[in-house]
Amino acid sequence: GNSVTQMEGPVTLSEEAFLTINCTYTATGYPSLFWYVQYPGEGLQLLLKATKADDKGSNKGFEATYRKETTSFHLEKGSVQVSDSAVYFCALSDTGGFKTIFGAGTRLFVKA
Amino acid sequence: EAGVVQSPRYKIIEKKQPVAFWCNPISGHNTLYWYRQNLGQGPELLIRYENEEAVDDSQLPKDRFSAERLKGVDSTLKIQPAELGDSAVYLCASSAEGVPNTEAFFGQGTRLTVV
Repeated sequence: GNSVTQMEGPVTLSEEAFLTINCTYTATGYPSLFWYVQYPGEGLQLLLKATKADDKGSNKGFEATYRKETTSFHLEKGSVQVSDSAVYFCALSDTGGFKTIFGAGTRLFVKA
Repeated sequence: EAGVVQSPRYKIIEKKQPVAFWCNPISGHNTLYWYRQNLGQGPELLIRYENEEAVDDSQLPKDRFSAERLKGVDSTLKIQPAELGDSAVYLCASSAEGVPNTEAFFGQGTRLTVV
């Protein structure tokens, strides 16, 4: 069945460092891919998404490219800030588009 | 605009007791989801509603879990009787009707502890 695997955390970086959080998926058909973020004390919120191969989603300085050949959707940011400290979830929705499957989440700590 | 509202935020109960969670989705969102998130894991879908109809409840443990969405707006999720393994965060989410691959908006969740 469909599944999402993302790198284990926690990831600890210094402010202004480069961030990569790896995400790979297994799916039939043509899923859409998402990154959700959960800040401390808040609910999950969508960070970015891509709906077809080679699409790049971007938001708040974060980017991820839908790579069908490597079944990956890695999250990147060129310069992280303390305020980026959160848990990041990679997710996919099935071809029908209504069932979202989440990875286990990666906790990011950014030190000043 | 108000987001998805869930209550209570926290609940501690003894095993074998019943418990209920309530969700009010974003106005106009006819698709509603209940997810369970165990510690250190991502959310897992329990049930999805389109208006009043449960269109996907394949992951809902029907022996003890039940859900309803009367009038196609608010929803309740119930566990009876609760077991120790039910301790988790229960998340409600909503999205626009009939729009695949659209963003789901999540509430803050109810953290359940069964002792």
